[in-house]
Amino acid sequence: QMQLVQSGPEVKKPGTSVKVSCKASGFTFRSSAVQWVRQARGQRLEWIGWIAVGSGNTNYAQEFQERVTISRDISTSTAYMEVSSLRSDDTAMYYCAAGHYCDSWGQGTLVTVSS
Amino acid sequence: EIVMTQSPATLSVSPGERTTLSCRASQSVNSNLAWYQQKPGQPPRLLIYGASTRATAISARFSGSGSGTEFTLTISSLQSEDFAVYYCHQYNDWPRTFGQGTKLEIK
Repeated sequence: QMQLVQSGPEVKKPGTSVKVSCKASGFTFRSSAVQWVRQARGQRLEWIGWIAVGSGNTNYAQEFQERVTISRDISTSTAYMEVSSLRSDDTAMYYCAAGHYCDSWGQGTLVTVSS
Repeated sequence: EIVMTQSPATLSVSPGERTTLSCRASQSVNSNLAWYQQKPGQPPRLLIYGASTRATAISARFSGSGSGTEFTLTISSLQSEDFAVYYCHQYNDWPRTFGQGTKLEIK
C-alpha cells in the first residue's frame, strides 16, 4: 500500500527558508514521481512542481521557479521541497503526492509564515 | 499554462440523487485528466484518472467521461460521505494545473 508521511508543522519568519520532507513506502520509489501541491486555507489546490525520482529531473510552476527546490534521497525513499525567501502568503498546507496523476497523498505539512 | 475551469462552484443536491460536475480545459489535455475528492482537514483522494478509469477501491457510483477539453464526473445515488469538494487536474502538459473546485453540499 502506497504511503507518504510528511514532516511536522513549521512556523517561519518572513525571508527565511523551510524544507519539508516526504517519506515514501509501499511502492518502488525509484520508479516513481513525486509532486508537491499547496493549499491556502479555504483555497484551491496549487501545483508547485515535481521530481522524477529515478532521473532527478524536475519541473516547476513558473511562479515557484526561483524560490522552490525539489530533491530526493533514493537511499531513504524521501523527497524534499525547500522554499526560500518565505512571505506571509506562503502560509499554506503543503502536500506531497506520488505518481503521474497523484495516486497517493501525504497527510500535509502546515507551514505558517509570520513575523 | 492550461487553465482548468470547473462548474458550478457550488452544487446543492439531495442524498440519493444523481449529479454531474463539469471541468473544461483551455486547450486539449487528451485523456490526461484526473478527479479528486477532498473533505475538510484531509488531503485530496484520487477518484478517477485517464478521464474515466476509477482508482483502486473507488465506488462504482463515481464515473468519469470526456476527452480533449470537456470532462464530467458523475456521481450516482449520492451518499452522505460524498458531500465534499471535487477538483479536476490535468497532467498532460507543464505546468500541471488544477481546477478551482466544485463544492457538493447537501440540499
